[in-house]
Amino acid sequence: QQQVKQSPQSLIVQKGGISIINCAYENTAFDYFPWYQQFPGKGPALLIAIRPDVSEKKEGRFTISFNKSAKQFSLHIMDSQPGDSATYFCAATLMNSGYSTLTFGKGTMLLVSP
Amino acid sequence: GAGVSQSPRYKVAKRGQDVALRCDPISGHVSLFWYQQALGQGPEFLTYFQNEAQLDKSGLPSDRFFAERPEGSVSTLKIQRTQQEDSAVYLCASSADGDSPHTGELFFGEGSRLTVL
Repeated sequence: QQQVKQSPQSLIVQKGGISIINCAYENTAFDYFPWYQQFPGKGPALLIAIRPDVSEKKEGRFTISFNKSAKQFSLHIMDSQPGDSATYFCAATLMNSGYSTLTFGKGTMLLVSP
Repeated sequence: GAGVSQSPRYKVAKRGQDVALRCDPISGHVSLFWYQQALGQGPEFLTYFQNEAQLDKSGLPSDRFFAERPEGSVSTLKIQRTQQEDSAVYLCASSADGDSPHTGELFFGEGSRLTVL
């Protein structure tokens, strides 16, 4: 059972447009929701994250919207730039006995055309 | 070093061979994670170390997979009798403490791409 479902699988946006990636989760025990950005040949890098007691978090051009009742969250990239072209993963963390592990979505490949 | 270092970056193995993948975490980082990333998929958790103790190995897909971190720094992921389905990128990540995903301080290496023929 996939615990974090992500859509779309791929996305093409024109420069200056808004990129929107959606995720849904099943496990209500998840307690932290980060987004990671991955460029080809590189490891994932943290982009932005949100706690479930907050409905929105904005950092520069990146915004997370969180809907706890619907168990959904999304990433909005405003004024998308060609340099934003990468694969984006939503994730959720589950706290175990003194440590937490990440469960990732399958990823969205974003292409921002010039 | 400045970041998490993994070696080799690329490994081609014949089916049935044993492979060893190395991870050098950021100096002083307590927590070390291994993830497996199949082509076109998100990373999937394999195992977790806190210092030299392997606290969670629930994600290891079979007993052919073995990980160690004997001195609490460098870690090795070993895969015995490799199979084609083992082909993936193996990512190592480290953090200063076990709670770091909550603070965003999980740092990934560039991964070791394993291809099993």
